[in-house]
Amino acid sequence: DAGVIQSPRHEVTEMGQEVTLRCKPISGHNSLFWYRQTMMRGLELLIYFNNNVPIDDSGMPEDRFSAKMPNASFSTLKIQPSEPRDSAVYFCASSVAGGALSYNEQFFGPGTRLTVL
Amino acid sequence: KQEVTQIPAALSVPEGENLVLNCSFTDSAIYNLQWFRQDPGKGLTSLLLIQSSQREQTSGRLNASLDKSSGRSTLYIAASQPGDSATYLCAVGAGGTSYGKLTFGQGTILTVHP
Repeated sequence: DAGVIQSPRHEVTEMGQEVTLRCKPISGHNSLFWYRQTMMRGLELLIYFNNNVPIDDSGMPEDRFSAKMPNASFSTLKIQPSEPRDSAVYFCASSVAGGALSYNEQFFGPGTRLTVL
Repeated sequence: KQEVTQIPAALSVPEGENLVLNCSFTDSAIYNLQWFRQDPGKGLTSLLLIQSSQREQTSGRLNASLDKSSGRSTLYIAASQPGDSATYLCAVGAGGTSYGKLTFGQGTILTVHP
């Protein structure tokens, strides 16, 4: 079975450019999470969706960040305009939430390493 | 606000030793607790998930315990091997209106040398 798929795996861009990160969750999972990992701050939750609906975006750092989930199999995280301090590894994770057999175990993708010059 | 602390920050042991990694959290109203492993430059691999109603979970050489009332969890690794070298992360899952949110500790960097 394919796990969580993220693209691109690496992205190098210049300050001011728009960056779009993509995620395909595990089939059948109904919750999707976007995280950012840096040496200074560790792993931080940016936003999460349940059944394609954004539930909590309190971790999104600024209005420059936006996320969408148009359907159950695809989500994007967009940064516009990008800044050097956005350089980090961005992870997407998915889980099954809700229901009697839900344990909400999160499974992570391989991440996208973003470098903003 | 939930805060998660992992001790020690780094640990170096010879192959074959049994070891314990510690995780503490400030708010005991949790839904679950998950232990992950992260290899350098890689994503997170889920190792064990403990529901709030459980005391422990085991998988192979790994055993995780949970004491919700005292806000602590431990990950026990038996007969450590060089392949166990990685960063181990503890994450606490929230319930209620924050259901699904994980708060991570800073991790324990484990090195097992031959």
